[in-house]
Amino acid sequence: GAGVSQSPRYKVAKRGQDVALRCDPISGHVSLFWYQQALGQGPEFLTYFQNEAQLDKSGLPSDRFFAERPEGSVSTLKIQRTQQEDSAVYLCASSPRQGSTDTQYFGPGTRLTVL
Amino acid sequence: GDSVTQMEGPVTLSEEAFLTINCTYTATGYPSLFWYVQYPGEGLQLLLKATKADDKGSNKGFEATYRKETTSFHLEKGSVQVSDSAVYFCAFYGGATNKLIFGTGTLLAVQP
Repeated sequence: GAGVSQSPRYKVAKRGQDVALRCDPISGHVSLFWYQQALGQGPEFLTYFQNEAQLDKSGLPSDRFFAERPEGSVSTLKIQRTQQEDSAVYLCASSPRQGSTDTQYFGPGTRLTVL
Repeated sequence: GDSVTQMEGPVTLSEEAFLTINCTYTATGYPSLFWYVQYPGEGLQLLLKATKADDKGSNKGFEATYRKETTSFHLEKGSVQVSDSAVYFCAFYGGATNKLIFGTGTLLAVQP
């Protein structure tokens, strides 16, 4: 079946622009995570949804970052007034439930470059 | 706080050599442990996992054993291939929402 998909795959933004990154999780998956991966680093947690509820946003680096999942499926990560330090790969992952043994399945990521 | 320490790369090996990539973690309790792999130009893929102490995860010839006493989850493979060249990430579930906590990754380069 289809995996996690993300769009766009690449995004170039001028500093100060707003961007929106989309994630389509695996159908029926309850849990959805966003991670940020800087060059040469491991992914770092941004936020978590259980269905449409955003249960953890402790990893969002500033109030310029906003995420939503209004119908419990597709999610959008929005970054307002982008800064150069926002340049990174943004990864989305989904898992069937919220179990401690569930596997998270990752999308290919969106590479954001802020000029 | 929760963290993962991974062996720094790059690790360069000849084909058929033995591989070990060390991973230790600091966590509350006994979380599920994972190795993810990122092949060039591709997304993160689960390589193997272990959900409780002394469990051994295995896949594609790779193995890792959950060692509670040493808080370690070292990745091993008896004979690497050129196609194993990738970045390997050790990770575990942290917090109430089971977010993944990753190490910084280890680049493996296998030469023919």
